[in-house]
Amino acid sequence: DAKTTQPNSMESNEEEPVHLPCNHSTISGTDYIHWYRQLPSQGPEYVIHGLTSNVNNRMASLAIAEDRKSSTLILHRATLRDAAVYYCILRGRLQETSGSRLTFGEGTQLTVNP
Amino acid sequence: DAGVIQSPRHEVTEMGQEVTLRCKPISGHNSLFWYRQTMMRGLELLIYFNNNVPIDDSGMPEDRFSAKMPNASFSTLKIQPSEPRDSAVYFCASSLGLNNGEAFFGQGTRLTVV
Repeated sequence: DAKTTQPNSMESNEEEPVHLPCNHSTISGTDYIHWYRQLPSQGPEYVIHGLTSNVNNRMASLAIAEDRKSSTLILHRATLRDAAVYYCILRGRLQETSGSRLTFGEGTQLTVNP
Repeated sequence: DAGVIQSPRHEVTEMGQEVTLRCKPISGHNSLFWYRQTMMRGLELLIYFNNNVPIDDSGMPEDRFSAKMPNASFSTLKIQPSEPRDSAVYFCASSLGLNNGEAFFGQGTRLTVV
């Protein structure tokens, strides 16, 4: 699996935007960039994913660099409930017969201050 | 749908005993993943199935671990014999094997081997 690099931890203030970076310099042309988060005492939760273009959904935005070697997860207004570990994952194109691995790294622990 | 259902939520067993963890994926999903999470090693992918077939079991730590998926609605992860170092939270996840690939996680089983 291609490797991703994230800061171990980040802090933010409530109601301010948060930009969570991820480097993936060895990404292949068919790798999708996925983001998951894990709240305390819960299983991971899907946030967003993309291939080349920036993506928006109700939870967050994903900005992908033009060379695809890095990406940034953007939380537009952080709340206390957004405090979690955020994982950036590269996932190969899903194959009909074999699916695709989903491998987690260490992630970024986001602390949100009131 | 009730989401991915895992049972039991908590399991305490003595070293040497057999432990069976159970997972019911979301109906219609055709990929299923088993993970183990510890403080030291983070979230490790143990095995994943696609269309009930084991695709990659390279993360299974040793022969004491085995996983089965007899049908599309049920999977088990068995540890025999269990050891204290197997203590961890075990997560099951399922996803639909299309380009979206969003994986949904269960609440996990917290296993303690004494």
